[in-house]
Amino acid sequence: GQQLNQSPQSMFIQEGEDVSMNCTSSSIFNTWLWYKQDPGEGPVLLIALYKAGELTSNGRLTAQFGITRKDSFLNISASIPSDVGIYFCAGAYSGNTGKLIFGQGTTLQVKP
Amino acid sequence: DAGITQSPRHKVTETGTPVTLRCHQTENHRYMYWYRQDPGHGLRLIHYSYGVKDTDKGEVSDGYSVSRSKTEDFLLTLESATSSQTSVYFCAISDLAGTTDTQYFGPGTRLTVL
Repeated sequence: GQQLNQSPQSMFIQEGEDVSMNCTSSSIFNTWLWYKQDPGEGPVLLIALYKAGELTSNGRLTAQFGITRKDSFLNISASIPSDVGIYFCAGAYSGNTGKLIFGQGTTLQVKP
Repeated sequence: DAGITQSPRHKVTETGTPVTLRCHQTENHRYMYWYRQDPGHGLRLIHYSYGVKDTDKGEVSDGYSVSRSKTEDFLLTLESATSSQTSVYFCAISDLAGTTDTQYFGPGTRLTVL
C-alpha cells in the first residue's frame, strides 16, 4: 500500500541542538500533519498544513508543506529533554473519508 | 484533549480466541478509525467508520471486523486471534469540519496473542 518515506529513522542529539526531519511521497497530498507520540500514549497532533508552500510554526516547531505537495518537513529548534518521543508525518488525499497515510516515524532522543 | 477512551488498555489472549476492543468518544465526531502500530510500520489503518452502521476497510483489514451501532462507540473484533495480530491498537476520531483532516487519537490498547 501507499507509504510515506520518513527520515531519519532515529536521531540522538544534544540538548539545545536544532532538529530536522522530513517525509516524501510518490503521491500528491492535500493535507500534511505532524504528530508526536510519547511512550505508552497515543499520537498527539503538533502541526497541520493545508496549502502547498505553507509554513506554520507552533512554538519551537516549524513545519512546511512542500510546493510539489509530495513532501513536508518538521524542524524543532533548541531541543529540550521533553522533546523525546516518536514523530510521525501523515498525509491525506482529497475526499471526505479523512483517511491518513503515516510515515514510519522518527525516534528522537535528547541528551541533557 | 479529545474525549477518547479505549478498553481494555492491555490484554493477553491465546491464539484462536475472539477478542473485542472498544473505542468510546464523547466528542460526537462522525468519523472513527482503528489503526495498528508495529515497529517499522508506523500506523496502519484497519477499518474506519463514517457514521452509525457505515464502515469500510482500510489497508490491513484481513482478520478484523468492526461495528458501530452508536455514534460514540466503535468496536474492533478479532474473530480468531493470531500471533501476527500482537500489536498496539489505536482508535482515532475526526469530524472533518471545514478543510481539516485532523484526527485525534486515543491512548491505545496493547494486545498480546500467545
